[in-house]
Amino acid sequence: KAGVTQTPRYLIKTRGQQVTLSCSPISGHRSVSWYQQTPGQGLQFLFEYFSETQRNKGNFPGRFSGRQFSNSRSEMNVSTLELGDSALYLCASSFPGANYGYTFGSGTRLTVV
Amino acid sequence: GQQVMQIPQYQHVQEGEDFTTYCNSSTTLSNIQWYKQRPGGHPVFLIQLVKSGEVKKQKRLTFQFGEAKKNSSLHITATQTTDVGTYFCAGPENNAGNMLTFGGGTRLMVKP
Repeated sequence: KAGVTQTPRYLIKTRGQQVTLSCSPISGHRSVSWYQQTPGQGLQFLFEYFSETQRNKGNFPGRFSGRQFSNSRSEMNVSTLELGDSALYLCASSFPGANYGYTFGSGTRLTVV
Repeated sequence: GQQVMQIPQYQHVQEGEDFTTYCNSSTTLSNIQWYKQRPGGHPVFLIQLVKSGEVKKQKRLTFQFGEAKKNSSLHITATQTTDVGTYFCAGPENNAGNMLTFGGGTRLMVKP
């Protein structure tokens, strides 16, 4: 079956702009989580959505937001981009209760210049 | 909040040598998961341990969950160049749905 699909793979934006990243989870997975990965901070949790509801939110400013649609696809948005937002943004889907862990997408590499 | 720490941060080994990475949580975990991320890739789920003192093997990889469910280890016997990558442990935040806290990872480099 198809894996977790993230688009776009690469993105270059200018400071102050906004960006929207997309994630399509594995069919049947209703939980979608987003992580930011940087060399200095590692993998940091952004938020988790389940059945179109944000179930958890990490310690990120309000410029970071997300949503989930009825088909479980999810988007995250970052407004007023800062240089420090440059990172690999990873989406992961999972089937709640199963012992299979997260399945990560390939990520979106965001560079803010 | 919960903290998950891993040591060492980096490890260089000669091909054929063994490798171990250790993971410690500030809180008791309901389970611990391990992931591998190849250079330029994304994390890939390896295994989940649930029971106190549990030991699981996957070919040359041995995973352990501590008796107190606060620490874990991953041991690779006779490393190969295909083992290169960063190994992460992760534990769920208590009563927090599907949210995982990841350790900082151990980057393994193997010299052929």
